[in-house]
Amino acid sequence: QSVLTQPPSVSGAPGQRVTISCTGSSSNIGAGYDVHWYQQLPGTAPKLLIYGNSNRPSGVPDRFSGSKSGTSASLAISGLQAEDEADYYCQSYDSSLSGPYVFGTGTKVTVL
Amino acid sequence: EVQLVESGGGVVRPGGSLRLSCAASGFTFDDYGMSWVRQAPGKGLEWVSGINWNGGSTGYADSVKGRFTISRDNAKNSLYLQMNSLRAEDTALYHCARELPAAPGAFDIWGQGTMVTVSS
Repeated sequence: QSVLTQPPSVSGAPGQRVTISCTGSSSNIGAGYDVHWYQQLPGTAPKLLIYGNSNRPSGVPDRFSGSKSGTSASLAISGLQAEDEADYYCQSYDSSLSGPYVFGTGTKVTVL
Repeated sequence: EVQLVESGGGVVRPGGSLRLSCAASGFTFDDYGMSWVRQAPGKGLEWVSGINWNGGSTGYADSVKGRFTISRDNAKNSLYLQMNSLRAEDTALYHCARELPAAPGAFDIWGQGTMVTVSS
C-alpha cells in the first residue's frame, strides 16, 4: 500500500486541462521533500516528466506543469492531446520508511 | 546514446535465487546513483533498492530487505541485484534507473526491464 495517493483515473477532451493530485503526509511531501512525476505509455518504461516539484527535463513540453502545497502535489496537463493518454505516477521521499523512495498509486489519463 | 540494458530475468521457483544485471552506456556511470524499480503485472511502480555512486551507501524497500542485495562495478559500468529467497510476490518487470544528481530520487533514464517470474 503506497503512502502517496492518486486518483485511479482522470479524463478530458482534447484541448482541455486536467490535473492529477498526489496526496501524502507529514513524513513525505509535508516534510518538504521534493515530488517527481513520471509518464508511462502502454508497454514502455516510465519517463521523467517533472522533477523537483516543478522542473521539466529537456524535451518535455511546457503543457506539463507541477506544483506542491502542504502535504499534496499536483500535475497539470494543459491542451490535452491524444498522445497524453498514459499512466502517471508521482514519487517522493518518505522518512518513515527504511527504503526512502516511494511512488504514488498511479493515475490513468484517458483522452475522450 | 545514453542507455541502460537489463538482463538476468527468468522463471524461478519460490525460495530460489536470481542475479539481475544492468549495463550502462553513453554516460559516465560512476557520476550517478542508481536504483532498481519493479512493476508487477498490471500494477504500479515500486522502488526496490538504490546505491550511491561508489557503492558506499545502499537502501532497500521493506519488502525486500534482507533478501536482496544491490551492488555495482564502476569499472564494468554495471549495476546488479542479487535476489535470494524469492517469493511469488516478487514477480515483476525489474527496471534499472539512473538518479538525477540535481534532484535526488528523480530517475531520468530507465531501462526497458527484465521480467522475473516466481512460480512453482
